[in-house]
Amino acid sequence: DAGVIQSPRHEVTEMGQEVTLRCKPISGHDYLFWYRQTMMRGLELLIYFNNNVPIDDSGMPEDRFSAKMPNASFSTLKIQPSEPRDSAVYFCASSLASRSGTWSTSGAYEQYFGPGTRLTVT
Amino acid sequence: AQKITQTQPGMFVQEKEAVTLDCTYDTSDQSYGLFWYKQPSSGEMIFLIYQGSYDEQNATEGRYSLNFQKARKSANLVISASQLGDSAMYFCAMREGSLTGTASKLTFGTGTRLQVML
Repeated sequence: DAGVIQSPRHEVTEMGQEVTLRCKPISGHDYLFWYRQTMMRGLELLIYFNNNVPIDDSGMPEDRFSAKMPNASFSTLKIQPSEPRDSAVYFCASSLASRSGTWSTSGAYEQYFGPGTRLTVT
Repeated sequence: AQKITQTQPGMFVQEKEAVTLDCTYDTSDQSYGLFWYKQPSSGEMIFLIYQGSYDEQNATEGRYSLNFQKARKSANLVISASQLGDSAMYFCAMREGSLTGTASKLTFGTGTRLQVML
């Protein structure tokens, strides 16, 4: 059973260039999340989708960042134009919807993370 | 205020011994879930264990257990019989409020780096 797939695994680009990160969630999962990890800020949620619809993009740093989910099996995170401060590891994660209506042991599904894309902007 | 606090930036443990990684959380919700993830040096995030706020029993998954003390708002991870492969970063995370909709996001702590020694 394939996990969350991300591409590319590594990306090195020059400042000002457009960068597109790709994610294929686990088949059947309802939620898709984009995170960014840096030493300074730790793990930050950028945006998440439920059934392909963006639910919360309050973590997107600025207008240079955009994310789309055209169908249930594909999502992109685009940075245009890229800047050195965008250098980070970008994770995509997916999960099922909740098992039940309460926060019990069976109440919530965990998020499964992809291997990440290490982005370096020079 | 920090939602998730992990006060131990680094921990050392001898192989085969048990270790406790601390996590405290801050929420005014009655309904929430707590998660622990492991991040080895290879970089991937691996789900370890989950505890729901209404669970009365501590969660266990193999050598991992979650010491849930609701009144103290703590959710410490206990790893028994440590192995060299347990050396990694460990993150505590929380989801609050409704199980669906805008409350579905995870808030992560800053992590604890665990080093298992021979």
